[in-house]
Amino acid sequence: NAGVTQTPKFRVLKTGQSMTLLCAQDMNHEYMYWYRQDPGMGLRLIHYSVGEGTTAKGEVPDGYNVSRLKKQNFLLGLESAAPSQTSVYFCASSYGRQAGNTIYFGEGSWLTVV
Amino acid sequence: AQSVAQPEDQVNVAEGNPLTVKCTYSVSGNPYLFWYVQYPNRGLQFLLKYITGDNLVKGSYGFEAEFNKSQTSFHLKKPSALVSDSALYFCAVSASGSARQLTFGSGTQLTVLP
Repeated sequence: NAGVTQTPKFRVLKTGQSMTLLCAQDMNHEYMYWYRQDPGMGLRLIHYSVGEGTTAKGEVPDGYNVSRLKKQNFLLGLESAAPSQTSVYFCASSYGRQAGNTIYFGEGSWLTVV
Repeated sequence: AQSVAQPEDQVNVAEGNPLTVKCTYSVSGNPYLFWYVQYPNRGLQFLLKYITGDNLVKGSYGFEAEFNKSQTSFHLKKPSALVSDSALYFCAVSASGSARQLTFGSGTQLTVLP
């Protein structure tokens, strides 16, 4: 039972490089999310998706793009990485739109931009 | 706007003693409250949630939390702490009609001393 799977787990980028973080969930969830975690700041929502083919901005969307071409996958792209994007990135998913639905998280992707 | 405050960055408790991790929230409408735990270099694991009903919510690993509407609090508790409970704990809140708007606190590092 994999749940939410993220790849890669660790990555070092040079400033200006691009990369894509991959997220897959096998729970048939409609909603998917990308968060970033920085020390002392909790988790902040970058982008989210309420279904296949849809995406929306969260709290800190600048510098990131996302795509949800398949229900089970949610991709996070950095077009031109900056040191401020050094962070831990978490993908998550939930069943539906109700606020009480539990959100399930992946194991995280540690990204360093030098 | 909704917010969560975890007033203690660090909580230390002796093994076998009761533990409390504090959380207060601010939200318009009915709150949906969550506790997650994060072990080093891992993703967030769901512990418990309050949706409605009984103010005392029981969750995984012997944890429980008490919803107090008048004090807008949702403190996490455990009667007898274990060394293995040492981790980072996050409180989160969302409001009805906004499943995507899960707001996290900044986290509390719990250390259980043997």
